[in-house]
Amino acid sequence: GAVVSQHPSWVICKSGTSVKIECRSLDFQATTMFWYRQFPKQSLMLMATSNEGSKATYEQGVEKDKFLINHASLTLSTLTVTSAHPEDSSFYICSASGERTQYFGAGTRLSVL
Amino acid sequence: AQSVAQPEDQVNVAEGNPLTVKCTYSVSGNPYLFWYVQYPNRGLQFLLKYITGDNLVKGSYGFEAEFNKSQTSFHLKKPSALVSDSALYFCAVRDDGTNDYKLSFGAGTTVTVRA
Repeated sequence: GAVVSQHPSWVICKSGTSVKIECRSLDFQATTMFWYRQFPKQSLMLMATSNEGSKATYEQGVEKDKFLINHASLTLSTLTVTSAHPEDSSFYICSASGERTQYFGAGTRLSVL
Repeated sequence: AQSVAQPEDQVNVAEGNPLTVKCTYSVSGNPYLFWYVQYPNRGLQFLLKYITGDNLVKGSYGFEAEFNKSQTSFHLKKPSALVSDSALYFCAVRDDGTNDYKLSFGAGTTVTVRA
């Protein structure tokens, strides 16, 4: 099956620093990737849609200057949380679209101190 | 518009018994339907999907789901549950008339299989 790799799986950072999360489709090309945020015991909240070679489309209420998304190739999208604050602490999950199906990464646990 | 409802927050079954996790959907066009499973601190694992064709879809780990257009349902089933099936299950839908590939997820159902 399709494999999506997400790195890092866990990151702890100081308030005010920036954190980059990578999402790679390992065995297929993904024109479209998605970034989600998940709070404990809740469903996924779509943050943005990332299209290769173009600007990301952000969902309402998501700050595009805070959550920078780059999709420079058909196999890699990155999410950078800029000037992170404790309220940004969460579980971030990416997915890549292939064969009319979204395949998900393992997620990144971000803890901002 | 597209949406999914998972009416049960929790499902508890004994190991070896049948497991059913319910899902109903709403779309304007035709649905693409998906089931995913999530273990603690992990991403979502794809179990199965319905795009077109046979209403009974078989997926990973012995799971299957039946697409019922008249009842707008896509319930997930496993004939004999295992303790290792204990996890959070999400149903998702996409309207085939959309071109943005976005999925709408249900709230999730926590399955607990007791030994």
